[in-house]
Amino acid sequence: DSGVTQTPKHLITATGQRVTLRCSPRSGDLSVYWYQQSLDQGLQFLIQYYNGEERAKGNILERFSAQQFPDLHSELNLSSLELGDSALYFCASSVEDGTGGTYEQYFGPGTRLTVT
Amino acid sequence: GQNIDQPTEMTATEGAIVQINCTYQTSGFNGLFWYQQHAGEAPTFLSYNVLDGLEEKGRFSSFLSRSKGYSYLLLKELQMKDSASYLCAVRGELTGGGNKLTFGTGTQLKVEL
Repeated sequence: DSGVTQTPKHLITATGQRVTLRCSPRSGDLSVYWYQQSLDQGLQFLIQYYNGEERAKGNILERFSAQQFPDLHSELNLSSLELGDSALYFCASSVEDGTGGTYEQYFGPGTRLTVT
Repeated sequence: GQNIDQPTEMTATEGAIVQINCTYQTSGFNGLFWYQQHAGEAPTFLSYNVLDGLEEKGRFSSFLSRSKGYSYLLLKELQMKDSASYLCAVRGELTGGGNKLTFGTGTQLKVEL
């Protein structure tokens, strides 16, 4: 158990809908990351938040957005869902002090999203 | 841009040693990670290299050569439970202090009796 929690575990929804995935980082971790993992593309970095602020951005679609709240939990919002958005969505967290050092990331169990 | 290459699949025998290679081409370099991922589960951290050389951790070792853009993960005394995907991930240039990792597509290791 990494200490990172994600809800829900599974989500089935229809095209065009909007969903929210939730992540709570390990105690003490200020950084949260979101990744998408599909069968054909591997693990793709979406976005990082550090202490409530966006810190790095990857190949995140405009239909997707995220935020980190004062209690450090994070939410990933996916809207206008398409069949191709079906994937495992992982959240990870890491200890960072804001100085730019490199730290290992601990992954949550993931949310499996199925768009029908 | 970032490019990370790993073999797609490897097969090895229980009790043997296997080496999984990773080559990378990235804009800058600030560390390389290896993660293990069992099907449908979360990746788990195995090792981290930022300087050239070998890092040993029990049955797992990882090597880095920054000049060659090359790393390998060495697994000794293979066990059936080591059957999993092994992901190589690189932190490239520092942009705004973000800790963005670029992952390879993973090497699926199958351990056989």
